[in-house]
Amino acid sequence: QKEVEQDPGPLSVPEGAIVSLNCTYSNSAFQYFMWYRQYSRKGPELLMYTYSSGNKEDGRFTAQVDKSSKYISLFIRDSQPSDSATYLCAMTGFKTIFGAGTRLFVKA
Amino acid sequence: EAGVTQSPTHLIKTRGQQATLRCSPISGHTSVYWYQQALGLGLQFLLWYDEGEERNRGNFPPRFSGRQFPNYSSELNVNALELEDSALYLCASSPLGSYEQYFGPGTRLTVT
Repeated sequence: QKEVEQDPGPLSVPEGAIVSLNCTYSNSAFQYFMWYRQYSRKGPELLMYTYSSGNKEDGRFTAQVDKSSKYISLFIRDSQPSDSATYLCAMTGFKTIFGAGTRLFVKA
Repeated sequence: EAGVTQSPTHLIKTRGQQATLRCSPISGHTSVYWYQQALGLGLQFLLWYDEGEERNRGNFPPRFSGRQFPNYSSELNVNALELEDSALYLCASSPLGSYEQYFGPGTRLTVT
């Protein structure tokens, strides 16, 4: 079993849609969770990070963590074509691991 | 505030040669991480340096090595290059005691 599972997509949505991106993980030792956005041929950009279970909101982005289910999500409201990128989840505690990334396409 | 910088942007080498990649962390950050991102394989952890010491390394052969300098900048060396070493090499930094990693733009290494 992989330590983190993330659907690679691609996920294609129309502009204005609500996007849901998800990761599951297997090791309860992970305590800190992050989402990164990576545009083609660029380095990943830290979008959000959270420590505890629950929701954290920043503008159009909401990160959700459910430690009991070992499930994390990133929601994007009012999606824009500029949101088209690969989104990577990451988690850390005793080590840091990254999901494989989900490719998102937002169509104008 | 300047972000993480990496040089060179692109590097082309032939099989068997050595490659040296460089990284300057964000000012005040003491930890530097190196990752390999090969096409379709996601981010693979290579090395973690903190306060000049190697703290952890990923599942890569010893020909992947590096060091961190007193000013916290870092160098990744890859010896005896193989074709499958072709990838984007990313450096990230984080401040003392923090888990957030901030990435540079990467160095694209092509081995022919």
